[in-house]
Amino acid sequence: SAVISQKPSRDICQRGTSLTIQCQVDSQVTMMFWYRQQPGQSLTLIATANQGSEATYESGFVIDKFPISRPNLTFSTLTVSNMSPEDSSIYLCSVGQDRSTDTQYFGPGTRLTVL
Amino acid sequence: AQSVTQPDIHITVSEGASLELRCNYSYGATPYLFWYVQSPGQGLQLLLKYFSGDTLVQGIKGFEAEFKRSQSSFNLRKPSVHWSDAAEYFCAVGSHNTDKLIFGTGTRLQVFP
Repeated sequence: SAVISQKPSRDICQRGTSLTIQCQVDSQVTMMFWYRQQPGQSLTLIATANQGSEATYESGFVIDKFPISRPNLTFSTLTVSNMSPEDSSIYLCSVGQDRSTDTQYFGPGTRLTVL
Repeated sequence: AQSVTQPDIHITVSEGASLELRCNYSYGATPYLFWYVQSPGQGLQLLLKYFSGDTLVQGIKGFEAEFKRSQSSFNLRKPSVHWSDAAEYFCAVGSHNTDKLIFGTGTRLQVFP
C-alpha cells in the first residue's frame, strides 16, 4: 500500500485563523479523500479531492470553509478557514487506487485544537 | 442508504482471551466491507477487507472476519488478544456505485493484563 504523510501532525490555533494541512503520497493514486474525526467520534467524509478540478463536497461541508487543492496525483491540501473551537478535530487524508474495491489507506492524521 | 452499526461502544477483555467485535450493515447488494484499527494518536490501519468469494477473510495481526449475508454482519474475531490490541476498531462499508466509505461509530477495546 501507499505511504501517506501529513503535515502538520498537530497544531494549536487561534479562533478566526486558517490552517492548511498537507497530504503527500509516495506514489500516484487515483483517489484522495479528506475526513474529519471529532473528539470521541467516528470519521465523516468532508470531500473527495479531484485532480485538476474542484473537490466534491459532502452534505454539510462547503468550499468556503474547507477549500481543497489537488494539483497532481500525489499531493493534496485541506484548509480549515476562519476556525472556531468546533473545528477542533483530527483531520485525516486517505487514498484509494482501485475503484473496483473502494479500499482506502489512511494517513496518520492532523490533530487540530482551536482556542 | 448504506449504514453501519457497531453495537458495542466499549469492550474490555483480558489478555489471552478471545475477542469478537460486532458489525452490522445495511446495503441493497453485496457490499464491500472493511475493518480498520486506530491506535491512540494514530491514523487508521486496514486490518482486512471483504469483496467477494470466501466469506471468512484473514487479516493482519491475527484477525479474521466472517461475512454473513443472512445476518447482514461482518464480525471481527481474534482467538487470543494481546495487550497491544487495545485500540479503537472501525467497521466500514463501501458502495459499488461510489468511491465512498461509510464508517461505523467504532468500538473501543481495552485489554487487561
